[in-house]
Amino acid sequence: QVQLQESGPGLLKPSETLSLTCTVSGGSIKSYYWTWIRQPPGKGLEWIGYIYHTGSSKYNPSLESRVTISVDTSRNHFSLRLNSVTAADTAVYFCAREVASIGSRHFDSWGQGVLVTVSS
Amino acid sequence: QSLLTQSSSASGTPGQRVTISCSGSNSNIASNSVNWYRQFPGTAPRLLIYSNNRRPSGVPDRFSGSKSGTSASLAVSGLQSEDEADYYCAAWDDSLNGLVFGGGTKLTVL
Repeated sequence: QVQLQESGPGLLKPSETLSLTCTVSGGSIKSYYWTWIRQPPGKGLEWIGYIYHTGSSKYNPSLESRVTISVDTSRNHFSLRLNSVTAADTAVYFCAREVASIGSRHFDSWGQGVLVTVSS
Repeated sequence: QSLLTQSSSASGTPGQRVTISCSGSNSNIASNSVNWYRQFPGTAPRLLIYSNNRRPSGVPDRFSGSKSGTSASLAVSGLQSEDEADYYCAAWDDSLNGLVFGGGTKLTVL
């Protein structure tokens, strides 16, 4: 059974760059889409974007100018970079595996999430 | 606000049937499949319903999903105390060209 684990700094200052990695174990990173989702404290879920193992990616238009998602198939992990963070980027960040087929796409496996706080 | 609208709360007594709705538009629910996720406090969401009405293995048949036009619903029958959680709908939006979540519904078992 595939497992996902987020890792990265939990505290950033405004204007810094958020960098998180999601390590995939128990399965190959190939043949699936890999996604980042975040949840501000006490609020709902927000899709950040996904990457396919080939490197093809798509981002939330509201974050696209600041986001980069990359994949390293040799290490079986994928990463998130979010530039110029502000307090509004404070959230729990989840990585997830997305199963996609014609007419359907859903997240069948999730990491436990990591809280990232942006504060001066 | 989200492109998918959910009521912020729902409630029921043990054994009752409760329905949670998710309202969207032609660019999301009407055009693409809807998924439902359940989230307990302090934990990651988990897939509950996918492709409008399909249950992953391990999800009891007390949970069912449906879709009609620009709206989708999640029904929970035989309500149990352990069903207390936040429930989110999600669908791809063709206009946004991205995935959208509903704002979430907090289900309380009275």
